[in-house]
This record gives sequence, C-alpha cells and structure tokens, in this order.
Amino acid sequence: AQSVTQLGSHVSVSEGALVLLRCNYSSSVPPYLFWYVQYPNQGLQLLLKYTSAATLVKGINGFEAEFKKSETSFHLTKPSAHMSDAAEYFCAVISGGYQKVTFGTGTKLQVIP
Amino acid sequence: EADIYQTPRYLVIGTGKKITLECSQTMGHDKMYWYQQDPGMELHLIHYSYGVNSTEKGDLSSESTVSRIRTEHFPLTLESARPSHTSQYLCASSAAGLNTGELFFGEGSRLTVL
Repeated sequence: AQSVTQLGSHVSVSEGALVLLRCNYSSSVPPYLFWYVQYPNQGLQLLLKYTSAATLVKGINGFEAEFKKSETSFHLTKPSAHMSDAAEYFCAVISGGYQKVTFGTGTKLQVIP
Repeated sequence: EADIYQTPRYLVIGTGKKITLECSQTMGHDKMYWYQQDPGMELHLIHYSYGVNSTEKGDLSSESTVSRIRTEHFPLTLESARPSHTSQYLCASSAAGLNTGELFFGEGSRLTVL
C-alpha cells in the first residue's frame, strides 16, 4: 500500500521568506514522488517529480524538493516566497508498479505581503 | 502545455437530473482518470481507463459511470444527481508506460446539486 501525509493544511509565510511544505510517504517499495500545484479554479499542474535519479529535484517557479529515504520524506521548499506562489500544493506517490497515483490532502500556502 | 478540457466548468442542477461531465484530451494519452475533490480532503480516484473500451472503478465508490469509446474522450455520467454528489470533479490523463506517473489535469467541473 502507498500513502502520503502532508503536515499542515494551511501554511502562511511572508513575502520573501522561506517556504517549507512537508510531505511524508509510506511505500513498501521505492516510490516515485510528485508535487502538484493548484491555483484557484484551476486543475493541478506538475511542479516537480522524483523518479530515483538525483535526490534533490528542481522544479518550476524556483521550487525544489529533497527525497530522504531514511526519513521517508519529500518536503517542498523555495528560498523566497512570492505572492504568485499562493496556491494549494499536493504531494503524491506512485509505487510498486501501480498505475494509480495517491494524493495527500493538500496544503494551502498563503503569502503575506 | 497540457491539452485536456472539461465541460462544463460549473453546473448547478436539481436533484434527480441526469448529467454528463465531458473530458477530452488531444495528447493521444492512453490512460485517463476521474478524481473527486472536496475541500480539505485528498483527491479520490473514482474511475480510470487504460485505453479504449477499458474502464475500472477507483478507490472511492461512486454512483457515476464512465465510458471510453474513443481515446480522446472520457465522459462521466450521473443518472440521477443527488446533493451528496456536490463536489469538484477533475479529469486527468497520462502517457502509457509503467510508472510514468505524471498526470495532466483539466480545469475541473464544479457540480452543485440542489
């Protein structure tokens, strides 16, 4: 079985501050991990993905995530938040040959000017 | 740039009505999915398809049905809508291949049943 847990349904940061969104996964086999972003009234868009190559993955809009097997984590970071980063972020996992992606419950990021 | 389209974007209907949510993609993807999204909840997979004439139920039980007669088209139908069906429905597609993983989403159809 596979699952993801996102800690914190809402995160607020000041513009220019570090963004850290947490994701822990559970998988019996090496997983593929993803972060998706959803802007208001839109569908989800892939931000970045880990597919067992480099453990530090860089994505769009300055975001990056680090795969830590020992901690079963895949936290999303961005050094300096921008107002346009306000959105909902979903961590997702696919593993073991399953063709289905399992999503977390999402974290809404608010950026305060 | 993803090319997957959902219509209608917003729909408000009365109880008992039949509705069909349309989903089309122009990327030639074999795999297509329907997710149900409610505030504060994870996205729940309700239907998926691996190709023409292939449909499967997802992890979340749903009274809706789907069909896949053409590669590009994956409509979802509710024969008799109820207030409990009020939700956002997201259609997605992905390329064939094991663990491709990346999903391309439409903008969603927000359904309200009165």
